[in-house]
Amino acid sequence: DAGVIQSPRHEVTEMGQEVTLRCKPISGHNSLFWYRQTMMRGLELLIYFNNNVPIDDSGMPEDRFSAKMPNASFSTLKIQPSEPRDSAVYFCASSPTLESTEAFFGQGTRLTVV
Amino acid sequence: AQSVTQLDSQVPVFEEAPVELRCNYSSSVSVYLFWYVQYPNQGLQLLLKYLSGSTLVKGINGFEAEFNKSQTSFHLRKPSVHISDTAEYFCAVSRNAGNMLTFGGGTRLMVKP
Repeated sequence: DAGVIQSPRHEVTEMGQEVTLRCKPISGHNSLFWYRQTMMRGLELLIYFNNNVPIDDSGMPEDRFSAKMPNASFSTLKIQPSEPRDSAVYFCASSPTLESTEAFFGQGTRLTVV
Repeated sequence: AQSVTQLDSQVPVFEEAPVELRCNYSSSVSVYLFWYVQYPNQGLQLLLKYLSGSTLVKGINGFEAEFNKSQTSFHLRKPSVHISDTAEYFCAVSRNAGNMLTFGGGTRLMVKP
């Protein structure tokens, strides 16, 4: 398996633009997690899904952030409109179940909002 | 709620020297403990985990950690580091053995020749 695949690896966008980050979890994994990594706040869990259903989105910072998982092999994290303070590395992770004791991380998307 | 504190943001060490990366946690309930490693421009990779049983846990790449409930610590150790161990190390906790992880701020291990 190729592991968790995120795209794009790097994204530079202007303030106010919509940004969509994409994630393909490992085949057969039923749980998917979105994390954000910043210098100021470290690694934060934003939202997670189980069997394509959002379970907890309490980590999503603002209404400008939304996430979807239309099927078992694809998830998106959208920011609209984007702001400079959204600049961060966004990681997607998947695991076989919510109770699994290992998360498999993608390589991340480095987002820069100018 | 739980929190994780990694006391050192950077740890410089010479190659073949021993190293300890410190991690303390707080939680009102029992937790499960993890160490993840992040190599430059890569995602996180699980090093080791404590779920129950023996308090000394061995992981990949020669790392080990010891769970100390009385001190609420889970320090990571390696007896002899290599240049290739240069990376950022994250301690994390979870309430229910799942992957809703709360991470510490990370410790950058810098191994010098």
